[in-house]
Amino acid sequence: RKEVEQDPGPFNVPEGATVAFNCTYSNSASQSFFWYRQDCRKEPKLLMSVYSSGNEDGRFTAQLNRASQYISLLIRDSKLSDSATYLCAVGGAAGNKLTFGGGTRVLVKP
Amino acid sequence: DAGVIQSPRHEVTEMGQEVTLRCKPISGHNSLFWYRQTMMRGLELLIYFNNNVPIDDSGMPEDRFSAKMPNASFSTLKIQPSEPRDSAVYFCASSLRVTGAANVLTFGAGSRLTVL
Repeated sequence: RKEVEQDPGPFNVPEGATVAFNCTYSNSASQSFFWYRQDCRKEPKLLMSVYSSGNEDGRFTAQLNRASQYISLLIRDSKLSDSATYLCAVGGAAGNKLTFGGGTRVLVKP
Repeated sequence: DAGVIQSPRHEVTEMGQEVTLRCKPISGHNSLFWYRQTMMRGLELLIYFNNNVPIDDSGMPEDRFSAKMPNASFSTLKIQPSEPRDSAVYFCASSLRVTGAANVLTFGAGSRLTVL
């Protein structure tokens, strides 16, 4: 079993719709959680950190479920520019090393 | 801030040749990471350094791979000899590691390696 797993998608989303997807992790001692966005042939860029109480940044909402060991990302009012691959990243108890999931591809269509 | 600088951006070489990838982290950052990304295996951590010291190299595929960080502003990843299966995008990332805080990585643009 991989340490961090994601549904690869693609999630085909009509413009203006809401899309949500999860990322599961196997190490219950994980301490830090992030969502990164990666555009085609570009580097991953931090989208948002994920806090225990859940957090929101504009149209993006991230949640952490420690009991079931997953994090989620919800995108509201999807824009064409939201089309990208979304990578989750999980940091272990040591707090330094980040393990990435394989990414979930999102395609927003007019 | 110029961000994390990687070179070369693209490298095409023949099997058996030595490849050296270079990285300049963000000034003031004290942790540096080398990742490799392929379609099949995703983004894999190869090695990371804290304060120029290698901490975990368990992701380095084999002895053909080596990484150094001679000072806080420069790191290299070397593959010798290179093989076609080493073809991938190699990302360098840096962060400011603060005890008790989440570790946010900033990535360079990557070095796309093709080994023929």
